[in-house]
Amino acid sequence: KAGVTQTPRYLIKTRGQQVTLSCSPISGHRSVSWYQQTPGQGLQFLFEYFSETQRNKGNFPGRFSGRQFSNSRSEMNVSTLELGDSALYLCASSLAVGLSTDTQYFGPGTRLTVL
Amino acid sequence: AQSVTQPDIHITVSEGASLELRCNYSYGATPYLFWYVQSPGQGLQLLLKYFSGDTLVQGIKGFEAEFKRSQSSFNLRKPSVHWSDAAEYFCAVGANNNDMRFGAGTRLTVKP
Repeated sequence: KAGVTQTPRYLIKTRGQQVTLSCSPISGHRSVSWYQQTPGQGLQFLFEYFSETQRNKGNFPGRFSGRQFSNSRSEMNVSTLELGDSALYLCASSLAVGLSTDTQYFGPGTRLTVL
Repeated sequence: AQSVTQPDIHITVSEGASLELRCNYSYGATPYLFWYVQSPGQGLQLLLKYFSGDTLVQGIKGFEAEFKRSQSSFNLRKPSVHWSDAAEYFCAVGANNNDMRFGAGTRLTVKP
């Protein structure tokens, strides 16, 4: 069974631009969560989607948004990029909704650099 | 809200030596506890998890962890470290509110 895939793997943008990252979950998984990983703040939860609905949300500004499609694939969008948005963005999928209980399987991440 | 602390930023052990990575959590109820490993350029891989029951949890790659409620700890152990275990290790705590918090991570270096 294929794992979680994320595209692109690397991305370079400039301040003020917007970016869209994509995540394909493991087949059969309906929950997709997004995390931001930076050296300074560590791993922080962004949001979780299940059945095309946002179910949980972390403490990030509205510039960070996401969506999930009927095939469970998810996209994450960041508008008006700031230097501090440079990070590794990780996507994780699980069978059921709920970060705390169901096992999450992580993708390799998208490395975003904002210049 | 729950929180998790990994006191050791970096640990170096010799290959074949035993390993213990520390994790302390703060949460009012019984938490859900996880250990993940991240190799360079990779995502996180779940090593083991504790939800309830036996407080000694066995995971993959020969790792185990013990939940000690009295000490609010969930330390990760391995009796004999292999060079391929060099990576960054994250402890995480989840709660009924579906919030998930990760520790800052412990980077493990394995000396030959």
